[in-house]
Amino acid sequence: GENVEQHPSTLSVQEGDSAVIKCTYSDSASNYFPWYKQELGKRPQLIIDIRSNVGEKKDQRIAVTLNKTAKHFSLHITETQPEDSAVYFCAAGYYGNNRLAFGKGNQVVVIP
Amino acid sequence: DTGVSQDPRHKITKRGQNVTFRCDPISEHNRLYWYRQTLGQGPEFLTYFQNEAQLEKSRLLSDRFSAERPKGSFSTLEIQRTEQGDSAMYLCASSSDYEQYFGPGTRLTVT
Repeated sequence: GENVEQHPSTLSVQEGDSAVIKCTYSDSASNYFPWYKQELGKRPQLIIDIRSNVGEKKDQRIAVTLNKTAKHFSLHITETQPEDSAVYFCAAGYYGNNRLAFGKGNQVVVIP
Repeated sequence: DTGVSQDPRHKITKRGQNVTFRCDPISEHNRLYWYRQTLGQGPEFLTYFQNEAQLEKSRLLSDRFSAERPKGSFSTLEIQRTEQGDSAMYLCASSSDYEQYFGPGTRLTVT
C-alpha cells in the first residue's frame, strides 16, 4: 500500500518567515495530495490540495508543489503568523481508491 | 452547523465492553470514511462507504469492528469486546468528490 513520509518532524520559524514541509510517497498511482492542519484537540482541517495534472497550486499565503517524477510534494507557508502554529499532515490517494494514506505529521511552531 | 458531526465526543469504557459511535456526514456527501488516530500519528484509514455500500475495509479493521450506513446517511462504528489497544481518536470524514472533510472525532479510552 501507499507509504507517506514527512520531513522534518518539528519546524520552528520566526513570525514573518517562510515554512516548508516536504512529503514523499511510494505509490506512483497516487494522483491526489491534500494537506491538513490540526490544532490541539481539534479536527483535521483541509487547507489545500493538489491533483497530479498540475505542478503547483497557491491559495493566499499557502502553496503546494508536486513533483510526480520524484514522488514528492511540499507545503509552503509564507509570512507565517502565530495562528499557523499547528500539526500539518500530508496525505496521498487516488480517485477510485478513496482511502487517504497520511504522514505522521509536522509540528510547526511560529515564534512571535 | 453543516459540517460533519460525531457523537459522542468522548467515551470511557472498561475492557471487554461494546461501544458504538455515530457519524453524521455533510448532507449532500455520498461518501463516508472512518479513520483512527493515535497520539503523534496521522489518521489511519479503517473503512469507506459509498451511499449505503461498504466498499473497502482496512486490515486494521479486525472482526471486532463493524460499520454500517443503513440508509446512506449517518454511519455507526461498533467495537465489540474492547481492548486497551483500541484507545484512540475515531474520526469520520465525508466527501462528494476528492476532498474529505473530517468530523471532530470520538475519543475512546479503554480502561
